Amino acid sequence: DAGVTQSPTHLIKTRGQQVTLRCSPKSGHDTVSWYQQALGQGPQFIFQYYEEEERQRGNFPDRFSGHQFPNYSSELNVNALLLGDSALYLCASSFGFMKEQPQHFGDGTRLSIL
Amino acid sequence: EDKVVQSPLSLVVHEGDTVTLNCSYEVTNFRSLLWYKQEKKAPTFLFMLTSSGIEKKSGRLSSILDKKELFSILNITATQTGDSAVYLCAVVRSNYKLTFGKGTLLTVNP
Repeated sequence: DAGVTQSPTHLIKTRGQQVTLRCSPKSGHDTVSWYQQALGQGPQFIFQYYEEEERQRGNFPDRFSGHQFPNYSSELNVNALLLGDSALYLCASSFGFMKEQPQHFGDGTRLSIL
Repeated sequence: EDKVVQSPLSLVVHEGDTVTLNCSYEVTNFRSLLWYKQEKKAPTFLFMLTSSGIEKKSGRLSSILDKKELFSILNITATQTGDSAVYLCAVVRSNYKLTFGKGTLLTVNP
């Protein structure tokens, strides 16, 4: 039973570029959330997707956008990258929207901005 | 704005010691509290707490929630080097949004 998988594991970009990160949820899960975890900090909620729509959003600018596909996989896009976007980006999946289910996390994508 | 404060931020103990990690919160429309263990990469789920005073237990780990005083503790008894990790506390609001604390870095020395 595959858990949450994310790709790529590491990525290096320069300021101003754009990046796309990918996530496949755990089997049986249909809700995907994205988090940004800076060094020494807890994960910060970016947004959540369910039924291919963004359902909730944290305090992140419009440069951060996403998508969910019919197979429940998801992408996180970040435009006009800034040095401060360097972080570990975590994807988490769960079953059902607005349900009391713990989220399961992937290993993350480590994004470094030069 | 929701606040989740974990203490201590870091802790170094010897194998066999017992540790207590703290998580206090100020959250609008609280629903539940989660504990995760993060070793380098993916946070792994430990406990979900929704009711005050009911201890959740898994092996050497246990946790309890106090909804009146707005805090939770995570206890680890007979610590092992494999317990070394960052322990994250997250609070869930009624709209199911998660707010995480900064975590407690636990180092268990042999």
